[in-house]
Amino acid sequence: DAKTTQPTSMDCAEGRAANLPCNHSTISGNEYVYWYRQIHSQGPQYIIHGLKNNETNEMASLIITEDRKSSTLILPHATLRDTAVYYCIVRPLAGANSKLTFGKGITLSVRP
Amino acid sequence: NAGVTQTPKFQVLKTGQSMTLQCAQDMNHEYMSWYRQDPGMGLRLIHYSVGAGITDQGEVPNGYNVSRSTTEDFPLRLLSAAPSQTSVYFCASSYGGRLTEAFFGQGTRLTVV
Repeated sequence: DAKTTQPTSMDCAEGRAANLPCNHSTISGNEYVYWYRQIHSQGPQYIIHGLKNNETNEMASLIITEDRKSSTLILPHATLRDTAVYYCIVRPLAGANSKLTFGKGITLSVRP
Repeated sequence: NAGVTQTPKFQVLKTGQSMTLQCAQDMNHEYMSWYRQDPGMGLRLIHYSVGAGITDQGEVPNGYNVSRSTTEDFPLRLLSAAPSQTSVYFCASSYGGRLTEAFFGQGTRLTVV
């Protein structure tokens, strides 16, 4: 699986958009970008995934650059409950499905 | 629909004791896996299974055994607990094929003294 690079931490104000960057310069053509988050003391939670097109769901938007070497997870209106560690993962869609490789992630702190 | 259920939530063991961490899912998922999480580190894969009767090692398998006799259950066994196995353990399950959202349990916090 391709490695990802994320900043260690960031913060944003409640109600503002939180833009979480991720670099994955060695991503392969068959690898997707996944985002999970882990709120303190809980199990990780799936957020979104995408291949090359931008994706949006009820939780977030995922913007992937045209060369696919980086992406941004956008939480459009961050709340205090979005304070968590966010993990960016790249891996094939099928095949080694259970092998999610987690790095250290980025700690997002949403301030009142 | 309970999702992924882990038991127990908390456990304290003495060095050398054995125990089994239970994991059950009711979503008919093919794939199940076990991770451990230590302070300041991400999740590390211990063992995983792609279906009943099939298991394989992950990144940190030493000291742990698994089996998968049914689709629903994927227990993790510690044969002889060591203080280095003090950690938070998470079980996850997911569909095979194109649906890859992994569901995680709430974790088992294990302390080995």
